[in-house]
Amino acid sequence: DAGITQSPRYKITETGRQVTLMCHQTWSHSYMFWYRQDLGHGLRLIYYSAAADITDKGEVPDGYVVSRSKTENFPLTLESATRSQTSVYFCASSATNTNQPQHFGDGTRLSIL
Amino acid sequence: EDQVTQSPEALRLQEGESSSLNCSYTVSGLRGLFWYRQDPGKGPEFLFTLYSAGEEKEKERLKATLTKKESFLHITAPKPEDSATYLCAVQTGANNLFFGTGTRLTVIP
Repeated sequence: DAGITQSPRYKITETGRQVTLMCHQTWSHSYMFWYRQDLGHGLRLIYYSAAADITDKGEVPDGYVVSRSKTENFPLTLESATRSQTSVYFCASSATNTNQPQHFGDGTRLSIL
Repeated sequence: EDQVTQSPEALRLQEGESSSLNCSYTVSGLRGLFWYRQDPGKGPEFLFTLYSAGEEKEKERLKATLTKKESFLHITAPKPEDSATYLCAVQTGANNLFFGTGTRLTVIP
């Protein structure tokens, strides 16, 4: 089915471990985004990508790394997880970055113990 | 600093009881205002985009309006299936979206 899929849906890990969240879209959208959603905050942008091999920081990039070697994939890596990174992570994509809505995956709920 | 504020935080309505959700914003150079619906355990689902003051968009029981300082999401004769969190987001000159914290709507049968 066409759309945007995230994996895993749930993940529990320990502080200091590396963890990678996957995002795959089948629309061939140029733009892809990573957000985190926490109680009391709106969705906050972590990183975004305008095309393969082009990425840029969002509002809260510290502690995260992204890559985009293929248009359809945009993995997010926490190199050394901390408890403050416990959150729900959403990936989104859009055809352009103006006048086009972003379409979201169903999220990854990440708990860091 | 760009700000987006949604009110109320939570709203309980009886089925059929119409109401409005508010999204007020303070941003430099609004390019667009987006409304999303989010169900528990799901990602936000796009509803509307508004670009200029005076613009209105409708979809089923929902109507979104925009002024220079705020947007309203009007819900007419809501049904229980309209229960969800409604998110507002603004797009500014940097082209990224800034989200409000949402309004959690519960419609009671």
